[in-house]
Amino acid sequence: GAGVSQSPRYKVAKRGQDVALRCDPISGHVSLFWYQQALGQGPEFLTYFQNEAQLDKSGLPSDRFFAERPEGSVSTLKIQRTQQEDSAVYLCASSQDRTGYTFGSGTRLTVV
Amino acid sequence: AQTVTQSQPEMSVQEAETVTLSCTYDTSESNYYLFWYKQPPSRQMILVIRQEAYKQQNATENRFSVNFQKAAKSFSLKISDSQLGDTAMYFCAFMKLNTGNQFYFGTGTSLTVIP
Repeated sequence: GAGVSQSPRYKVAKRGQDVALRCDPISGHVSLFWYQQALGQGPEFLTYFQNEAQLDKSGLPSDRFFAERPEGSVSTLKIQRTQQEDSAVYLCASSQDRTGYTFGSGTRLTVV
Repeated sequence: AQTVTQSQPEMSVQEAETVTLSCTYDTSESNYYLFWYKQPPSRQMILVIRQEAYKQQNATENRFSVNFQKAAKSFSLKISDSQLGDTAMYFCAFMKLNTGNQFYFGTGTSLTVIP
């Protein structure tokens, strides 16, 4: 597609519920990143894929967070047993090289 | 560790005037990129301008230019002839080149252009 597509745009989850956030990157983009943006803050790195390989997951805040990109295109960020502190905007970005990053519009997750 | 500091949480400017947004960063890296991103209410991060650290010449993109002071680790953004559509959050970001290519973002500056 023409841009990075993220779904859903908004998600409300009850505390303890599992959620799955989807990122559909630009076709052919090798690199894919997930960021977490808390209210009033800048985005913070969560994890990085190069094709299907997860090369860096150092930013995942706990073992409740899991990301995958099984075929090297679409990626899913899963959060198990959601907590209120997980409420944030989750941004996905893809790129072909260091100069061509494209961000999606994010998923706003609210845990109640 | 890399840190990016934006000391101006909010700024405003009259339409058609010029405004400068400040950014400082801390790193031990010698090769890196610096970026300014704009985030309107739609939430999508839009690239405004990019600077390679090895280039001494300041980057410019139409009404947007930077003042890159490598020794001082300063990277300010100047917006000339401000337009109403420039109203948004602006984030300064750092990227080191050796691994991962992840961004390190500042906390942002909310810019309002006043008609």
